[in-house]
Amino acid sequence: DTAVSQTPKYLVTQMGNDKSIKCEQNLGHDTMYWYKQDSKKFLKIMFSYNNKELIINETVPNRFSPKSPDKAHLNLHINSLELGDSAVYFCASSQADRVWEKLFFGSGTQLSVL
Amino acid sequence: ELKVEQNPLFLSMQEGKNYTIYCNYSTTSDRLYWYRQDPGKSLESLFVLLSNGAVKQEGRLMASLDTKARLSTLHITAAVHDLSATYFCAVGAPDSNYQLIWGAGTKLIIKP
Repeated sequence: DTAVSQTPKYLVTQMGNDKSIKCEQNLGHDTMYWYKQDSKKFLKIMFSYNNKELIINETVPNRFSPKSPDKAHLNLHINSLELGDSAVYFCASSQADRVWEKLFFGSGTQLSVL
Repeated sequence: ELKVEQNPLFLSMQEGKNYTIYCNYSTTSDRLYWYRQDPGKSLESLFVLLSNGAVKQEGRLMASLDTKARLSTLHITAAVHDLSATYFCAVGAPDSNYQLIWGAGTKLIIKP
């Protein structure tokens, strides 16, 4: 039973389209994250939600909008996709008050914008 | 602003050799993590280090933390091909339970 699951695994789309990536965790964690990993493998946090409340909102284009319907789900919607959005997007979760514990990552969504 | 620097960024080595990856960070933090990423895969936690002098070992990997020097090391002993991966360190931001600052990753290739 996968702890953090995200779908789809691959997403190939045209510039200008709108797409969503879904993420669900069954660990009972209170905090979820979206990370972007570029072609050089550099990891950058985009958003973090704690109990459905936006905690971290890094400098990302406002074409990216996270939505957390409940603390087990954090979806990422991207409007008007651009070539530069091509990357691997990872969802992760943790229990924020237990800093001695690790982040659990999903398997990633490879987004290719053509 | 917390910055995290890993070196080397790329390491190619022979099986059976020992080597060390370094992770320096610029401001005080109370937690440091090491992760492994295989090509095309997700990130897997290796170690969580929470105190000065902490040392953790699993198999051929050993991680240590020196909070005074703001330095963590990941030591590989008698490397085997299966350890080929990219290794990341991540440091907890001092004023946030939620924010981790990541190193750029060390791509490790171990040749048989």
